[in-house]
Amino acid sequence: QQQVKQSPQSLIVQKGGISIINCAYENTAFDYFPWYQQFPGKGPALLIAIRPDVSEKKEGRFTISFNKSAKQFSLHIMDSQPGDSATYFCAASKGWTSGTYKYIFGTGTRLKVLA
Amino acid sequence: NAGVTQTPKFRVLKTGQSMTLLCAQDMNHEYMYWYRQDPGMGLRLIHYSVGEGTTAKGEVPDGYNVSRLKKQNFLLGLESAAPSQTSVYFCASSATNEKLFFGSGTQLSVL
Repeated sequence: QQQVKQSPQSLIVQKGGISIINCAYENTAFDYFPWYQQFPGKGPALLIAIRPDVSEKKEGRFTISFNKSAKQFSLHIMDSQPGDSATYFCAASKGWTSGTYKYIFGTGTRLKVLA
Repeated sequence: NAGVTQTPKFRVLKTGQSMTLLCAQDMNHEYMYWYRQDPGMGLRLIHYSVGEGTTAKGEVPDGYNVSRLKKQNFLLGLESAAPSQTSVYFCASSATNEKLFFGSGTQLSVL
């Protein structure tokens, strides 16, 4: 199966709170798991990414937690700010192992951070 | 630094009309992709290219054709537009199949 299932579909968080978005995958051949951030009227932009050989990666207020045995990964946004309000997409790729160079994207989470 | 440029930004077509979307990148990337974005369905890959002169089908290729005659350009064609092709189309490029650089999108409506 090639799907990447993302939840929740939408999320409202108070300023300063923690935003958590979850993704689950089925294909164990996936070897690269990025998160993309998209503002209205713009294309998605890479936010942070992880490979399955580590369980966590942190960049500033953004952290990916990866659970290989459960085939799940999540994005945590600490101290959420109104400027973080955007749509977030998780994705998975198996380009390095299969040479197909294709991403599978989740369905997106619309995050709104209240001031 | 332009990055990935898509033209046009908006287009309205009638059913059965044809059109071509142009994607140009100035980063010398090998890989280029066309996605469509629909509400609740995320980004779905239409076609992609791993180098000049190559193309391959993605998840939803039916009704679309592509060409990569020059490394910097990736064209997406709709031969006979259908209302189901109403969507926002994004082009992306990458150097190593890791970081994708997206254009700002083309909003297409087919009436």
